[in-house]
Amino acid sequence: EVQLVESGGGLVQAGGSLRLSCAASGFTFSNYVLNWVRQAPGKGLEWVSTITGSGQTTFYADSVKGRFIISGDSSTNTLYLQMNSLRAEDTAVYFCAKFGSVRGITSPFEHWGQGTLVTVSS
Amino acid sequence: EIVMTQSPATLSVSPGERATLSCRASQSVSSNLAWYQQKPGQAPRLLIYGAFTRATGIPARFSGSGSGTEFTLTISSLQSEDFAVYYCQQYNDWPPWTFGQGTKVEIK
Repeated sequence: EVQLVESGGGLVQAGGSLRLSCAASGFTFSNYVLNWVRQAPGKGLEWVSTITGSGQTTFYADSVKGRFIISGDSSTNTLYLQMNSLRAEDTAVYFCAKFGSVRGITSPFEHWGQGTLVTVSS
Repeated sequence: EIVMTQSPATLSVSPGERATLSCRASQSVSSNLAWYQQKPGQAPRLLIYGAFTRATGIPARFSGSGSGTEFTLTISSLQSEDFAVYYCQQYNDWPPWTFGQGTKVEIK
């Protein structure tokens, strides 16, 4: 059974940093593309970042480019999101999500974690 | 960037009735379109991918149709557990992977 468990959220001041983690299990970590998707309070879903299983290719939404860094550790099956220069508009629940197809990027978000809340105070 | 537009924003339906949700893409996404269900305080759940293929464990009352720029999610007979927010999402042209703004299905 695929499991994705996020942690690391919390309250941080604007301009600060936070690192989110997503512990993955139930699948071969290096074979799948993993993502972060966020949801501001009362709002819709917004894709944030993507990393291939090899870690060699990453993508970022324009809203976070240059501030956030996605990475993965296949030895511990953990996905990370390092968030720097945080802004009030980064306040959201951050979900870790896995694409459905092996090594595929043209794929829906098949599995999701329960999310972790990040609150940025201004 | 492909913009996904869902309608209506809110749909009021009685239990047992049919619900029809629409999703439009600003340019063709072929059949690379997914639908998700999200209940309050929960993560989204994949319902439909490839525009019409139900994900594992999804009941047959959920069906998807369309291709190109126009898509529909139909819930044939609404059950109490189906009242939720539904999102469409394209994965044809990326980055970014883009979602619609959601349709809330509420009890009439």
